[in-house]
Amino acid sequence: NAGVTQTPKFQVLKTGQSMTLQCAQDMNHEYMSWYRQDPGMGLRLIHYSVGAGITDQGEVPNGYNVSRSTTEDFPLRLLSAAPSQTSVYFCASSQLAGGPSSGELFFGEGSRLTVL
Amino acid sequence: GIQVEQSPPDLILQEGANSTLRCNFSDSVNNLQWFHQNPWGQLINLFYIPSGTKQNGRLSATTVATERYSLLYISSSQTTDSGVYFCAVLSPSGTYKYIFGTGTRLKVLA
Repeated sequence: NAGVTQTPKFQVLKTGQSMTLQCAQDMNHEYMSWYRQDPGMGLRLIHYSVGAGITDQGEVPNGYNVSRSTTEDFPLRLLSAAPSQTSVYFCASSQLAGGPSSGELFFGEGSRLTVL
Repeated sequence: GIQVEQSPPDLILQEGANSTLRCNFSDSVNNLQWFHQNPWGQLINLFYIPSGTKQNGRLSATTVATERYSLLYISSSQTTDSGVYFCAVLSPSGTYKYIFGTGTRLKVLA
């Protein structure tokens, strides 16, 4: 089982460049989300989605855009990268309702982004 | 919003020792998980435990939802247990936000 797949695993950008972090899941999960983790810190929610066409902001949404055109994919876009966005980014997904593990969150392996 | 606090923030153990990590939350929840972030940064699911007790090998977890806390027990610790342990709850506000604690950083010495 692939689970949650993130690409790329590593990326270096220059200030002002744009890029998209890809996230795909093959578990038919309704819920998908993006977190960032700064060194020595916990996880902070950037954006999340409860289904195709539905997205909402988390704690730290500024500088990031998302869309959810399919159940499987939830890309995170940085429109104009800044050094403050240097971080490790995690995508996660879960079911929302039904089943014995309803709501159990599963993570991808992370994407390490450096903005120079 | 709901607050999630973990203790202790840091823990150093000798291999073979036992430990208890605690997660307190400020509101009623029906969804709680424990994760282990290994030294390579991977987040590994340990337990999905909104209530009751579960065991998996040397690890076990107990959640007492009515008293708003969960405990993670590690017995006979090994160096591979090192890393950061996070608990996370689903916000009861209906906004589908998972709130993470700040973590317990565990180092197990050989």
